[in-house]
Amino acid sequence: EIVLTQTPGTLSLSPGERATLSCRASQSVSSSYLAWYQQKPGQAPRLLIYGASSRATGIPDRFSGSGSGTDFTLSISRLEPEDFAVYYCQQCDNSLTWTFGQGTKVEIK
Amino acid sequence: EVQLVQSGAEVKKPGESLKISCKGSGYRFTSYWIGWVRQMPGKGLEWMGIIYPGDSDTRYSPSFQGQVTISGDKSISTVHLQWSSLKASDTAIYYCARRGFTAAGVGYYYYMDVWGKGTTVTVSS
Repeated sequence: EIVLTQTPGTLSLSPGERATLSCRASQSVSSSYLAWYQQKPGQAPRLLIYGASSRATGIPDRFSGSGSGTDFTLSISRLEPEDFAVYYCQQCDNSLTWTFGQGTKVEIK
Repeated sequence: EVQLVQSGAEVKKPGESLKISCKGSGYRFTSYWIGWVRQMPGKGLEWMGIIYPGDSDTRYSPSFQGQVTISGDKSISTVHLQWSSLKASDTAIYYCARRGFTAAGVGYYYYMDVWGKGTTVTVSS
């Protein structure tokens, strides 16, 4: 089973700042199978990025994803008030034994 | 509108059985895998398993194999998650989500694109 480790656990930033979130896999993951989700309190997760770098429908272009192999990054160029939430990476390979990272909380500083 | 509608909150006692549901609409239900995700109070997302409603092919996370059963009834566009004997540690929110896919040159991108609102399960004596 592929283990995903997200860092940092918590990111304290101000609106307008840039956020950089990391997701490291215990073994190589095809970039086709790496997704990112946002979850706000009391809500279901929402798909942000799939294929490591493709934005899902309706996702603003301040969100971007990159990476390959074992290291992936989610960046938020300028934090808006609605971006303060928890973010999860997920590997979604053909085995159908998928896993999530433990999450990074982006909080208001 | 594509949506997954989950059954309502449940309060159960340890040792009781439970079956919760997730009903799809607005798309061809039998053509998309549906997965289940657990979120314990204040914790992160955990992948439990997935089912293909077209033929009921089912896969489980090693952590949940033998602990739960995932099943489906394509005649009513519904998948289920069930427990035969609940424990207090099963207290959580359970989400169902559709596996979406997009052509990616060679092969596909996979992701969970449509989520239910979650079913809260509380197990307490």
